[in-house]
Amino acid sequence: DVVLTQTPPTLSATIGQSVSISCRSSQSLLHSNGNTYLHWLLQRPGQSPQLLIYLVSRLESGVPNRFSGSGSGTDFTLKISGVEAEDLGVYYCVQGTHAPLTFGSGTKLEIK
Amino acid sequence: EVKLLESGGGLVQPGGSMRLSCAASGFTFTDFYMYWIRQPAGKAPEWLGFIRNKANGYTTEYNPSVKGRFTISRDNTQNMLYLQMNTLRAEDTATYYCARSRYFDYWGQGVMVTVSS
Repeated sequence: DVVLTQTPPTLSATIGQSVSISCRSSQSLLHSNGNTYLHWLLQRPGQSPQLLIYLVSRLESGVPNRFSGSGSGTDFTLKISGVEAEDLGVYYCVQGTHAPLTFGSGTKLEIK
Repeated sequence: EVKLLESGGGLVQPGGSMRLSCAASGFTFTDFYMYWIRQPAGKAPEWLGFIRNKANGYTTEYNPSVKGRFTISRDNTQNMLYLQMNTLRAEDTATYYCARSRYFDYWGQGVMVTVSS
């Protein structure tokens, strides 16, 4: 199975600070069809996960543009440019290139 | 508005069976792959399986961790997704979610399943 390693496991940020979360894969996530099925989700406390970024860098409709994704192959990054209070929660990367689909272990973002 | 609403969870004894349902609305159900994902309390989500869309023959794929015990099906006339779970174990205790598409763009609110005697 593909292992997604997220770092850091926890992140503490002040409002307005920019932060980055890393997701490293044990295998390349480039699919034979040319797509890279690496997505980012946010799970706010007590809520279901929600999609933020899909296919590495595509912003889901309705998601603020302070969120951005980058990377290729095995190394991926989610950046929040100017954290807001509503951004607290656990961030997960998820890969859909290789079966079984797998999730990272999560990064908990706390607001100072 | 896209909505997914799971139902059917609760307490079940080890070795028992349970069927979860997911009512979908607000989109053309047959156009989309549909997924089941579970999340034990305080842990990361785990993909269980999916069922393809009409264009891909509604075929299914499963995580080896549940293959042979769990079955995904859909009723396209009722816009319903199902997860049949058999031979349940304590480690199947989790919140179960249905989600739409290979990008997981919409999730239900989740339903809790507790396997305990």
